[in-house]
Amino acid sequence: NAGVTQTPKFRILKIGQSMTLQCTQDMNHNYMYWYRQDPGMGLKLIYYSVGAGITDKGEVPNGYNVSRSTTEDFPLRLELAAPSQTSVYFCASSHLGELWDQPQHFGDGTRLSIL
Amino acid sequence: KNEVEQSPQNLTAQEGEFITINCSYSVGISALHWLQQHPGGGIVSLFMLSSGKKKHGRLIATINIQEKHSSLHITASHPRDSAVYICAVSPSYGGSQGNLIFGKGTKLSVKP
Repeated sequence: NAGVTQTPKFRILKIGQSMTLQCTQDMNHNYMYWYRQDPGMGLKLIYYSVGAGITDKGEVPNGYNVSRSTTEDFPLRLELAAPSQTSVYFCASSHLGELWDQPQHFGDGTRLSIL
Repeated sequence: KNEVEQSPQNLTAQEGEFITINCSYSVGISALHWLQQHPGGGIVSLFMLSSGKKKHGRLIATINIQEKHSSLHITASHPRDSAVYICAVSPSYGGSQGNLIFGKGTKLSVKP
């Protein structure tokens, strides 16, 4: 199993450009998450999904969009990149159920710089 | 005040030392997580616990629900333990949907 795979690993964008950060998991997890990590701060939740077709905002959703058309994929879209979106982005997945929960599995992260 | 506080922020130890990292939280929780972030950036889940104590190799995690406090211990520390250790909680209030609240992390450096 590959676990959670994020692409790209690094990217530099110009202000106003758009891009999609890709995330895919092969563990058949129902929950998926996008976080950003800024220097000296804890991870902040951007968006999450409890299953295909269902997404919801986290703590810091402004400037981002997501979709979940399949169980495996959860892409994060930046429409108009701003310098404040310079950060390291992590995708994660987990299984939450009535009988048992799993810890979150993280991708390796995408380091994004907006110049 | 952050809902999850870790101490210390930075910790330097000599190889072989016993290490303790502390985590205090202010919300009701269904579970507490300890994560390890390697110098290369990847994040790995070490423990998920809701009561008592868990052990995996040289790592031990404990939690006191009444005191809203958890500790992560590393016995016989080694330079390869150098990483950032992150505490996170799954809040138990309605609608949390498995979302985690993260501490800022403790940066551990173990010198040979």
